[in-house]
Amino acid sequence: QVQLVESGGGVVQPGRSLRLSCAASGFTFSSYAMHWVRQAPGKGLEWVALISYDGSDKYYADSVKGRFTISRDDSKNTLYLQMNSLRPEDTAVYYCARTGDDAGGYYFDYWGQGTLVAVSS
Amino acid sequence: DIQMTQSPSPLSASVGDRVTITCRASQSIGSYLNWYQQKPGKAPKLLIYAASNLQSGVPSRFSGSGAGTDFTLTVTSLQPEDFATYYCQQSYGTPLTFGGGTKVEIK
Repeated sequence: QVQLVESGGGVVQPGRSLRLSCAASGFTFSSYAMHWVRQAPGKGLEWVALISYDGSDKYYADSVKGRFTISRDDSKNTLYLQMNSLRPEDTAVYYCARTGDDAGGYYFDYWGQGTLVAVSS
Repeated sequence: DIQMTQSPSPLSASVGDRVTITCRASQSIGSYLNWYQQKPGKAPKLLIYAASNLQSGVPSRFSGSGAGTDFTLTVTSLQPEDFATYYCQQSYGTPLTFGGGTKVEIK
């Protein structure tokens, strides 16, 4: 069965960096575009970043562009999110998600359980 | 960016009710509209993709319709496990965007 397990969250001071990981299993990781989606406490969902199945294309929300970098290591079946220059408004639960199989654009058919990032001094 | 607006929020309903949630896009998105259910402390779960396609394993009391800018999620005969927050999401283009959510509460 498809499993996505995030790790790397924690408490970090403003301006510092953090790297999130998402370990994938149960499917051919290298065949799927992958995403990061976040949810601030008590708020709605916000898409953060997308990487194509082969890593050649990457897209970001304006709120993180230039600060966050999405990447993947298909040999390890792992998705990453490098977060630099963190701000208090980046505080959220970060989910990794897989792009759905069928035609319909970029939707999310499987999600991890999430990892909490708290940016605070 | 494409803005997604959901209504109503919140929505108060009883077990057995037929419930309809509306999602409106700020521009035409064809059928590139998806619906998710989220329960407190849990990850979202895909219910409907491409406006009207039921995700595998999702009960048939859930259905989606619409195209262009106006979409609906309908739950026929609301069950106790359906009290949750529902989000729409457009997959027409990046940045991918979500509606603000509709919390379905017990009346």
